[in-house]
Amino acid sequence: NAGVTQTPKFQVLKTGQSMTLQCAQDMNHNSMYWYRQDPGMGLRLIYYSASEGTTDKGEVPNGYNVSRLNKREFSLRLESAAPSQTSVYFCASIRGGRETEAFFGQGTRLTVV
Amino acid sequence: AQSVTQLDSQVPVFEEAPVELRCNYSSSVSVYLFWYVQYPNQGLQLLLKYLSGSTLVKGINGFEAEFNKSQTSFHLRKPSVHISDTAEYFCAVSSKGGSEKLVFGKGTKLTVNP
Repeated sequence: NAGVTQTPKFQVLKTGQSMTLQCAQDMNHNSMYWYRQDPGMGLRLIYYSASEGTTDKGEVPNGYNVSRLNKREFSLRLESAAPSQTSVYFCASIRGGRETEAFFGQGTRLTVV
Repeated sequence: AQSVTQLDSQVPVFEEAPVELRCNYSSSVSVYLFWYVQYPNQGLQLLLKYLSGSTLVKGINGFEAEFNKSQTSFHLRKPSVHISDTAEYFCAVSSKGGSEKLVFGKGTKLTVNP
């Protein structure tokens, strides 16, 4: 049981390049989330998907797009990377209902130069 | 919309001393409350959660937290800390019966010194 798997673990991009961060969960969870973590800022919600086929903006959605490809997968795309998007990105999933525990991936460390 | 305030960004303590990490929340509806821990270079894992019922909840590694509705607080406590408790701790909130958006505070870095 792998839980939540994020790829890649590390990435360096040049300003203006695009990339997609992948996230997959094998726990049959309904909700999935993308956060970014910056020093002193905690985890800020970028986008979330409460169920397959739906996505909603979080606190800091600008510069990002998401796709809930199916129940398992939730990808985050940077169309034109900027240095301000240098961060550690975490994907998480929650089953939903009374099952409220969030399970996190190991993170993707992204540097934009 | 929910929000979470963690009042201390850093808390240094000596080993075997008690510790309290403070968390206040804001929400217009009933909430679920959580504490997560992040060890260096790792993801987050759940310490404990409050869903309903008893306001004192116990979690892993000897931690406990008390939900205080009138104070809108959910402070985390441990009576005697170990070096291995050095980590960053995050308080989080989600609304009951809502969109299940999970919102985190900015974190408290606990450093346990020998």
